Amino acid sequence: IAGITQAPTSQILAAGRRMTLRCTQDMRHNAMYWYRQDLGLGLRLIHYSNTAGTTGKGEVPDGYSVSRANTDDFPLTLASAVPSQTSVYFCASRQEGAYETDTQYFGPGTRLTVL
Amino acid sequence: GQNIDQPTEMTATEGAIVQINCTYQTSGFNGLFWYQQHAGEAPTFLSYNVLDGLEEKGRFSSFLSRSKGYSYLLLKELQMKDSASYLCAVMDSNYQLIWGAGTKLIIKP
Repeated sequence: IAGITQAPTSQILAAGRRMTLRCTQDMRHNAMYWYRQDLGLGLRLIHYSNTAGTTGKGEVPDGYSVSRANTDDFPLTLASAVPSQTSVYFCASRQEGAYETDTQYFGPGTRLTVL
Repeated sequence: GQNIDQPTEMTATEGAIVQINCTYQTSGFNGLFWYQQHAGEAPTFLSYNVLDGLEEKGRFSSFLSRSKGYSYLLLKELQMKDSASYLCAVMDSNYQLIWGAGTKLIIKP
């Protein structure tokens, strides 16, 4: 693994179903993030984790949950999917520090369609 | 509230220069980032400014004025591969990124 991976690449899901989007990084970054990206809108933060064992709510957390059992993995769960959760989901990570080490690096994304 | 504004779309000619502006109002400031995003792909880091002035990286430069809440990304010697969306983001006092909606740059031959 090099960088950040996400799975699945894309998914079509029936409304009401439960779904977990996976995110794994091998850079030993402390902070990780989940965003959704919708046409015409900026990236919106769903949940974040500053370090293993801690999580926080972002701008649009409703309907989503996360866990951070270890440094590498940060799964995002939709407990009961709704059509408004149709979006492209990006996972990102950041190594806390100065200057460009504050940069967030992104996974390739998961395109989710809820019908 | 927090707000990042950038133009929705711009068009430029191959070989030319284009400037993409970004204005911001955020709770705190810990730096401004520019990312490039090709259609269907993830955002990739281009530049970071935390002090006023110009940062140059090859064909790309980024400028910041903290007093004016203003930044721009300057792309020189445009190539067709520069056709992409350019995202402006500000790191706020909680070290979270606040994102603009992005500027879609169309390069014409």
